[in-house]
Amino acid sequence: NAGVTQTPKFQVLKTGQSMTLQCAQDMNHNSMYWYRQDPGMGLRLIYYSASEGTTDKGEVPNGYNVSRLNKREFSLRLESAAPSQTSVYFCASQGDRDYGYTFGSGTRLTVV
Amino acid sequence: AQSVAQPEDQVNVAEGNPLTVKCTYSVSGNPYLFWYVQYPNRGLQFLLKYITGDNLVKGSYGFEAEFNKSQTSFHLKKPSALVSDSALYFCAVRDSFSGGYNKLIFGAGTRLAVHP
Repeated sequence: NAGVTQTPKFQVLKTGQSMTLQCAQDMNHNSMYWYRQDPGMGLRLIYYSASEGTTDKGEVPNGYNVSRLNKREFSLRLESAAPSQTSVYFCASQGDRDYGYTFGSGTRLTVV
Repeated sequence: AQSVAQPEDQVNVAEGNPLTVKCTYSVSGNPYLFWYVQYPNRGLQFLLKYITGDNLVKGSYGFEAEFNKSQTSFHLKKPSALVSDSALYFCAVRDSFSGGYNKLIFGAGTRLAVHP
């Protein structure tokens, strides 16, 4: 089925460890986004990308880096994980015509 | 500043009764408005959108939303609630100042609980 695929679904990290969250879409969308979801705070934008090779900071970029490897893939990297980064992370892609997002199923990250 | 507000953290409804989940917005220019639903341990799913045209928009699972420009609102409604409608609902608006992007600004979410 067409859509947005995120891996892994669950991850536990120790403070200071690094990891990369993977996201891929097969809908030929140009724009892709990374959000984090925390209780009572809704969705907060971390980074976004209009096209391959282009990325921009969102609302809460500190502690994160991203790579838009090609049109399909947009990865999020935590270089040195902190407990404050415990969250659910969602990747989304956006069609050019209707502006709506298609979301992945999320990655639940716990940093201990 | 552009923003979206969902004034209720939680809405409780009895099954079979009508439901309303409220959303108000503040944007420059014409608003592009969206509703998404999140079921437990799932990603967000698109319900409906308003871009232009009729103020009453129909979407998935029997939901509809009414765009009211004078009240800057976009409330989500359903005539008869089901227990399976219990989920977290997010309102969103296109950020018209996103420099060529069309990124969305999301509300904090409203938890809908439908009781048998």
